Amino acid sequence: ETGVTQTPRHLVMGMTNKKSLKCEQHLGHNAMYWYKQSAKKPLELMFVYNFKEQTENNSVPSRFSPECPNSSHLFLHLHTLQPEDSALYLCASSQESLTGVYEQYFGPGTRLTVT
Amino acid sequence: AQSVTQLDSQVPVFEEAPVELRCNYSSSVSVYLFWYVQYPNQGLQLLLKYLSGSTLVKSINGFEAEFNKSQTSFHLRKPSVHISDTAEYFCAVNNQAGTALIFGKGTTLSVSS
Repeated sequence: ETGVTQTPRHLVMGMTNKKSLKCEQHLGHNAMYWYKQSAKKPLELMFVYNFKEQTENNSVPSRFSPECPNSSHLFLHLHTLQPEDSALYLCASSQESLTGVYEQYFGPGTRLTVT
Repeated sequence: AQSVTQLDSQVPVFEEAPVELRCNYSSSVSVYLFWYVQYPNQGLQLLLKYLSGSTLVKSINGFEAEFNKSQTSFHLRKPSVHISDTAEYFCAVNNQAGTALIFGKGTTLSVSS
């Protein structure tokens, strides 16, 4: 049981589709993250939101568009994806303090397949 | 820049044997170190963390890790593993800005009977 939920758990989409991934955290945290996990590669940090403001965008292609309407919800809007975008997309949250980020809590992930 | 190296991509062991999963880091700032575990089809779960204080940290399920500043290591150990410990293990360090974590490539621990 985690305090971070993600929907859907599985998604298959064509390259011309538009879809969105949703993440919700119930931990009262002030920071949320999107990571991409591909086979045989390290977790790739995509976006960071702190107090609803995007603080990091790690050179992510514009076909990925994040949205953070409040500190509990985070979306990842997808459009015109490529087959190499197939991966597990993980959402995480944490409580950022004055001294930095401590542990992050992860959701179960969305397994995305682009056909 | 911060980085994490997990030296072993796969570690096969027999049940009840001891295991060590190695992690080395590179950092130019104060470090916070973490071990996460990922079971199949699940997200990452925090296993243990080093923030400050005692260099030996322990989890509730028998794992422990020791922060060694001189060797820039944070190896994970367990004296006797169970089948249920089979999973992917990730070592992580805070990034330089302190805004996120940087993860290693992971080590697959396979425990067989």
